[in-house]
Amino acid sequence: DVKVTQSSRYLVKRTGEKVFLECVQDMDHENMFWYRQDPGLGLRLIYFSYDVKMKEKGDIPEGYSVSREKKERFSLILESASTNQTSMYLCASTRGGSNQPQHFGDGTRLSIL
Amino acid sequence: AQSVTQLGSHVSVSEGALVLLRCNYSSSVPPYLFWYVQYPNQGLQLLLKYTSAATLVKGINGFEAEFKKSETSFHLTKPSAHMSDAAEYFCAVLAPSGGYNKLIFGAGTRLAVHP
Repeated sequence: DVKVTQSSRYLVKRTGEKVFLECVQDMDHENMFWYRQDPGLGLRLIYFSYDVKMKEKGDIPEGYSVSREKKERFSLILESASTNQTSMYLCASTRGGSNQPQHFGDGTRLSIL
Repeated sequence: AQSVTQLGSHVSVSEGALVLLRCNYSSSVPPYLFWYVQYPNQGLQLLLKYTSAATLVKGINGFEAEFKKSETSFHLTKPSAHMSDAAEYFCAVLAPSGGYNKLIFGAGTRLAVHP
């Protein structure tokens, strides 16, 4: 089974801090994704990566950046955390290909105080 | 542009009753469609997917969904609800984006099952 592991289940940070969320997958997947999940809005794509050192903006990239130095690891960075970034963050991965389903981690619930 | 609409943010059924969760999509290309389930404090788990083969797709835990092109729908059903089915369900469509594909999710439907 595919395993997508997010480093923290719960995280509390203060406004203005630089925050790192880490995600690791163990199936040699080419594609990795970061979403945020908010009630009534479903999942919204922040960034995705289709290869090492490659990244593409999703639908809501403002205030975020990402890093993919190794194939198995995809990091989401909040450069200067703000309270409106309090949310559930979900990482996903998938093999390359046009119709492959995404495999999700358990999520990180991030609170910015 | 691709989009997904899930009708009803909350659905409540009795144990043993039929479950029907509605999903309508818009897509400029033949769609790939997915249903995911999210149990409390967990990530999303794939229930089933439609990839232009059979229009009736069977998934895990007794769920199935029927693709109806004329209605642009992909509703999720289960004949008999179980207490363990209580969760949030997301419908999603795969959308082309600058040479790559990304998932567009609906807002989700929270299913409650009562005795």
